[in-house]
Amino acid sequence: NAGVTQTPKFQVLKTGQSMTLQCAQDMNHNSMYWYRQDPGMGLRLIYYSASEGTTDKGEVPNGYNVSRLNKREFSLRLESAAPSQTSVYFCASSAWGQGAGYTFGSGTRLTVV
Amino acid sequence: GQQVMQIPQYQHVQEGEDFTTYCNSSTTLSNIQWYKQRPGGHPVFLIQLVKSGEVKKQKRLTFQFGEAKKNSSLHITATQTTDVGTYFCAGHASSYKLIFGSGTRLLVRP
Repeated sequence: NAGVTQTPKFQVLKTGQSMTLQCAQDMNHNSMYWYRQDPGMGLRLIYYSASEGTTDKGEVPNGYNVSRLNKREFSLRLESAAPSQTSVYFCASSAWGQGAGYTFGSGTRLTVV
Repeated sequence: GQQVMQIPQYQHVQEGEDFTTYCNSSTTLSNIQWYKQRPGGHPVFLIQLVKSGEVKKQKRLTFQFGEAKKNSSLHITATQTTDVGTYFCAGHASSYKLIFGSGTRLLVRP
């Protein structure tokens, strides 16, 4: 069972470049999430998708956009990367909002120079 | 907005000693979840508590949810080197917004 798969695992971008982080889950989960984790800090919610066809802002959405392509896939796009977006990005999924534990992907380590 | 705070930030223990991390929310929680993240890894779901005053055990780990549903704790009895990692609590601000605490990093001396 693959669970939640994120690509790429590592990425270095120059300031102003754009990129899309990909996430796919094979657990038939309805809800998907994007978090970022900065050194020594907890995870902060960027965007979430409660179900296919819906997306909504989390705690730190500025500078990001998302697309829920289908039930399996939820992508995160940085249109114009900034050094402040250097972080580890985790995608997660759950069967529904509350009441279910989240399954996380292995993360994308992004550095913006 | 809702805040979830954890203490301590770090804990360094001798193998065999006990360990406790505490989680406090600024608002009443409908439930609380706990996750473990190994160094360089991703968070892994451990457990969810829902009821006021609930206590759950997983082998050497004991999880408690406060009576007022605003705080929680994780206690590990007789730590082992395999317990090394960062432990996060998380509570729902709304149905789909799971807010994480800043985590407690546990280091275990063999």
